[in-house]
Amino acid sequence: IAGITQAPTSQILAAGRRMTLRCTQDMRHNAMYWYRQDLGLGLRLIHYSNTAGTTGKGEVPDGYSVSRANTDDFPLTLASAVPSQTSVYFCATSEGESSYNEQFFGPGTRLTVL
Amino acid sequence: GQNIDQPTEMTATEGAIVQINCTYQTSGFNGLFWYQQHAGEAPTFLSYNVLDGLEEKGRFSSFLSRSKGYSYLLLKELQMKDSASYLCASVDSNYQLIWGAGTKLIIKP
Repeated sequence: IAGITQAPTSQILAAGRRMTLRCTQDMRHNAMYWYRQDLGLGLRLIHYSNTAGTTGKGEVPDGYSVSRANTDDFPLTLASAVPSQTSVYFCATSEGESSYNEQFFGPGTRLTVL
Repeated sequence: GQNIDQPTEMTATEGAIVQINCTYQTSGFNGLFWYQQHAGEAPTFLSYNVLDGLEEKGRFSSFLSRSKGYSYLLLKELQMKDSASYLCASVDSNYQLIWGAGTKLIIKP
């Protein structure tokens, strides 16, 4: 059982390029999330999806887009990467959007934009 | 507004006890999580508190005071493997998590 997988593990990208970070889960969880983690800052929510077919904006959505065509996959796309998007990106899932549902995290993608 | 504060770094000795504090200001507060994150790895769940009081789980305990906007994580019988960052996160009225920057815990022999 893989749980949550993310790809790629790491990537160096030229500014202006388009990039999609992949996230796949086999836990059948309804809710999925994308966070970025930067040194000295807490995890910041980029986008989320409470169930397949729906998405919502988090704290820092600008420059990012997501889709949720099915339960298992939640890709994050950077349309035109900028250096400030250099970060570690974590995908997370939870059974639902209720407060008591813990979030489970994927291993992360380390992205460097030059 | 929404705000979470926790110390940036703490140092403790193997075998000792350490308390990591977290204060929060969260609209429509719906509980508080603690996560552990080893360097280069993903965060993993430690505890969730929604009612006032202490929740004990083995060597780790978590406390919440809703009236004071305060929580702490207590780690007993510290082991070298407990060296990690500890993340505090409150749940807001929309069930979104508001994360602190994390407390890096350094364990010395």
